[in-house]
Amino acid sequence: EVQVVESGGGLVQPGRSLRLSCTVSGFSFGDYAMSWFRQAPGKGLEWVGFIRREVYDGTAEYAASVKGRFTISRDDSKNIAYLQMNSLKTEDTAVYYCTRVREWKVLENYFDYWGQGTLVTVSS
Amino acid sequence: QSVLTQPPSVSGAPGQRVTISCTGSSSNVGSGYDVHWYRLVPGTAPKLLIYGNTNRPSGVPDRFSGSKSGASVSLAISGLQAEDEAVYYCQSYDTSLGGYVLFGGGTRLTVL
Repeated sequence: EVQVVESGGGLVQPGRSLRLSCTVSGFSFGDYAMSWFRQAPGKGLEWVGFIRREVYDGTAEYAASVKGRFTISRDDSKNIAYLQMNSLKTEDTAVYYCTRVREWKVLENYFDYWGQGTLVTVSS
Repeated sequence: QSVLTQPPSVSGAPGQRVTISCTGSSSNVGSGYDVHWYRLVPGTAPKLLIYGNTNRPSGVPDRFSGSKSGASVSLAISGLQAEDEAVYYCQSYDTSLGGYVLFGGGTRLTVL
């Protein structure tokens, strides 16, 4: 059974940092890209970024709203993906979801397994 | 403009059929990129319902179906059940602004 579990959320002050973890089981982690999404209160889903497989150098791409502040990494030996969030803003308050990426066509992906999310609240 | 447009809400009685539309533009669906559908219920993990416009993942009931016509894509849910109450999102690839993943605004389904 595939499981995706996010952790590390909590209350943090503006300008501070927080690292989220995404621990997976039930599939060969290294064979898949992983992605992060978020949903702010009362808002829709927003893509945060994704990290490619190590065979593609494990490089990451980010949404414009977080580029330069957030960093996605992965540890294939531990089956964990990370989302390092720096210089947090109040507008980063959201439930953060981790997902497995399915490569559908060139440039096109979909996301087949999601965690239940972890809440990040940025407030003073 | 990078937009996938969904109706804010739809409703139907138990047993009825509803459809949720997702209209794109020339930078996404209109250029032939495919659409995928998800269901969000507060407090639970989002669920993939349809991928590649019309394909159902294993375990998704055949009450859920997807279709595509030009730049417009739809999700149909037949035999409505109370448990179908949720917010449904369409997702596609978009070529503008370097965006890799674009979601529609979401449609809240109410089962009357």
